[in-house]
Amino acid sequence: NAGVTQTPKFQVLKTGQSMTLQCAQDMNHEYMSWYRQDPGMGLRLIHYSVGAGITDQGEVPNGYNVSRSTTEDFPLRLLSAAPSQTSVYFCASSYSTNSGDTQYFGPGTRLTVL
Amino acid sequence: QKEVEQDPGPLSVPEGAIVSLNCTYSNSAFQYFMWYRQYSRKGPELLMYTYSSGNKEDGRFTAQVDKSSKYISLFIRDSQPSDSATYLCAMTLMIKAAGNKLTFGGGTRVLVKP
Repeated sequence: NAGVTQTPKFQVLKTGQSMTLQCAQDMNHEYMSWYRQDPGMGLRLIHYSVGAGITDQGEVPNGYNVSRSTTEDFPLRLLSAAPSQTSVYFCASSYSTNSGDTQYFGPGTRLTVL
Repeated sequence: QKEVEQDPGPLSVPEGAIVSLNCTYSNSAFQYFMWYRQYSRKGPELLMYTYSSGNKEDGRFTAQVDKSSKYISLFIRDSQPSDSATYLCAMTLMIKAAGNKLTFGGGTRVLVKP
């Protein structure tokens, strides 16, 4: 198993540009989520999905969209990038949606918005 | 005020010393408590997992949860330079509607010197 994979590893955008961060898992996990990590802030939940076709907002959803058309993929879209979205983005997945089920994280995407 | 507070460090210790890490939290509804280890430029990986109050030991690692004080700890015995990383505490609610959403502390950077 490749686990949780994320592409790209690095990205530089200009203010106002849009882009999609890709996340895929090959473990048949039901639950997937996106976090952003900023210095001293830990990881904060952006959006999550409890199964194909079902998504919901986390703590910091503004400026981001998600969709989950398949079990394996959970892309994160930045609609109009802003410097405040400069961060490291992590995708995570767990086998079930049960509270406390082990979550596995991808290697991250480092995004800089100029 | 953040829901989960964690001293950012850095915490510098000599090789072989005991590393003591802790987090405090404000929401008494948190039931599952985790510690993640994150090496530089990598995704977090689950280290320890406890449910409700009590102690759990796994090799050189001991996790403690004191729900009455809303305080959790992680101890690393016989620390090694390879333990140098950022340690993040995380917790989830025991509410089905909350799914598997993690709330993180800000992370403590640990440096073990040879």
